[in-house]
Formats: sequence, structure tokens, C-alpha cells
Amino acid sequence: KNEVEQSPQNLTAQEGEFITINCSYSVGISALHWLQQHPGGGIVSLFMLSSGKKKHGRLIATINIQEKHSSLHITASHPRDSAVYICAVSPSGGSYIPTFGRGTSLIVHP
Amino acid sequence: NAGVTQTPKFQVLKTGQSMTLQCAQDMNHNSMYWYRQDPGMGLRLIYYSASEGTTDKGEVPNGYNVSRLNKREFSLRLESAAPSQTSVYFCASFFGFSGNTIYFGEGSWLTVV
Repeated sequence: KNEVEQSPQNLTAQEGEFITINCSYSVGISALHWLQQHPGGGIVSLFMLSSGKKKHGRLIATINIQEKHSSLHITASHPRDSAVYICAVSPSGGSYIPTFGRGTSLIVHP
Repeated sequence: NAGVTQTPKFQVLKTGQSMTLQCAQDMNHNSMYWYRQDPGMGLRLIYYSASEGTTDKGEVPNGYNVSRLNKREFSLRLESAAPSQTSVYFCASFFGFSGNTIYFGEGSWLTVV
């Protein structure tokens, strides 16, 4: 069974801090997704990656396929970054079903 | 705007009532999904449809039925709502096999009293 574990579950930061959220998974994958959900809001895709590193603005996602681990970094955090960040993996082998982590709740204080 | 549209956004039901959540995508995606999201539980798969004409049970299918009406539309029906079905429901879609971006609808907040 594919497990996706995220850490930490909850994270509080001061504006401007560098933030890291971690994701570990247990099976081979074709892609890993980072998603963002603001309170009371929908879920949007931030990144999809299968190797290396991607950057979008202040967000950076990295993946180490050998170690089955990914990190999401937020540089110069801002209160508008407060949200739940969800890691999901698409298993390899033609599976149609992504597996989701339980999410990391981030609060950034001004 | 292109994407996944689901309705209604909010609904209050009495125990035993029925309702259908509607979902439509205009991205020509093959695979569509219904999830429920409960505090501390993350997203749990109710049903999915890998392609038009097929549907399969997910992790928590009891109390729900689905219809893949055509390639665009995938509906979720609660035949006899129970308080345990109070949740936020999300429809999602992506194209073909794994390895493509997943798109979500904006969510439907359902309360069963």
C-alpha cells in the first residue's frame, strides 16, 4: 500500500521566515504533486514534478526519487502563504489513482 | 474559465433526503474523481471514473452512487443522506494516466442535519 507522509502537520512562522515542508512516500511514482488549499477554499496545483527541482516565485519544490522524498520550500514567507499544503503522488505502473498526504497547515504571522 | 466546475457550493440536507452533486470539466480529461475531506482525515476517494463509461469504488463508497454521464460530467448521488456524510466534497480530473496535473473543483460544503 502506498503511504504518503507529510511533516510537520502544523507549522507556525513569522513573516519573512524560510519554510520547509516535507513529504515521504513508499512506492515508485510517475509524478509528485504539491497542492495548496486556503481556508474555506478550493485546492490548486502548485507543482507537478518527477525529478529535480521546480521554482515558481517564492516557492521551490524538490524531489529525490532514490530517497522517495520531496520538499516544498517557501522563501520570505508572507501571511498570504497561510494555507494547507498537500503532497500527492501518482503511482507508476499506469495507476489512475493519486494518493494524498493529510496536509501541512501553515500559519504565517505578520 | 477552463477547469472543473462543481455545484452546489453549499447545501443543507435533512437525514434521509437525497441529492446529487454535479461536476463538469472542459479539459477533455479521461479520469474524474470524487473525494470527501474531513478534518484530520485528508482527502478520501469515494468513487472514480478512469474513462467515459467506467466507474469504480474508492476508499469510502458506502452511501454514494456515481454516474459518468459523458466525458465531461461525473455526478455523485447521496440516496439517503446521513449525518456522517456531512463533509466537504471535491471533484477532480486529470488527463489519462498518472503524471499529469490534477485539477480540482472549488468544493461543495454539505451539512446533513
